[in-house]
Amino acid sequence: DAGVIQSPRHEVTEMGQEVTLRCKPISGHNSLFWYRQTMMRGLELLIYFNNNVPIDDSGMPEDRFSAKMPNASFSTLKIQPSEPRDSAVYFCASSLTPSSYTFGSGTRLTVV
Amino acid sequence: GESVGLHLPTLSVQEGDNSIINCAYSNSASDYFIWYKQESGKGPQFIIDIRSNMDKRQGQRVTVLLNKTVKHLSLQIAATQPGDSAVYFCAENGSGNFNKFYFGSGTKLNVKP
Repeated sequence: DAGVIQSPRHEVTEMGQEVTLRCKPISGHNSLFWYRQTMMRGLELLIYFNNNVPIDDSGMPEDRFSAKMPNASFSTLKIQPSEPRDSAVYFCASSLTPSSYTFGSGTRLTVV
Repeated sequence: GESVGLHLPTLSVQEGDNSIINCAYSNSASDYFIWYKQESGKGPQFIIDIRSNMDKRQGQRVTVLLNKTVKHLSLQIAATQPGDSAVYFCAENGSGNFNKFYFGSGTKLNVKP
């Protein structure tokens, strides 16, 4: 298995632009998670899906952030408009059981 | 249950020595805990887990100890190797939700050859 696949690995964008991060979970996993990691706040859970349905989005910082999971093999996290304070590493993770929780390699987002 | 991470505590050990990394968790209702290892430029990687009905669990070269009385976890790494150098996080599941984990701020382990 190729693991959780995220794209792009790096994204540099100008303030105000729309940014879309992509994630392909491990086949057979029924839960998908989006995290944000910064030095100031560590790893924060933004939203998670179970069977493609958003279950808890209480970690989404504000309305500029949105996430979708149109099918079991694909999810997106969109920021519109982006701001410099959104600069962080964004991780996607998927799981079937708690011990199978697997992270992708992350997308490093820089908003200038 | 959010983590803060302005300055990572750092543990430096000599290759071959044993390492002990500590973590204080916040929610007494948490009943499942995971230790993760994060190498530079990579996502966190599962190391070992433990449920609250246990106080010790052993893996290959790693042992996790759980003290629910003081809400403390530790990760012991035997015969530490240079490849063990990474940031280590503990995670708790909060109020019994196996899908939602809260991460600690992490400890950086430096292994000196």
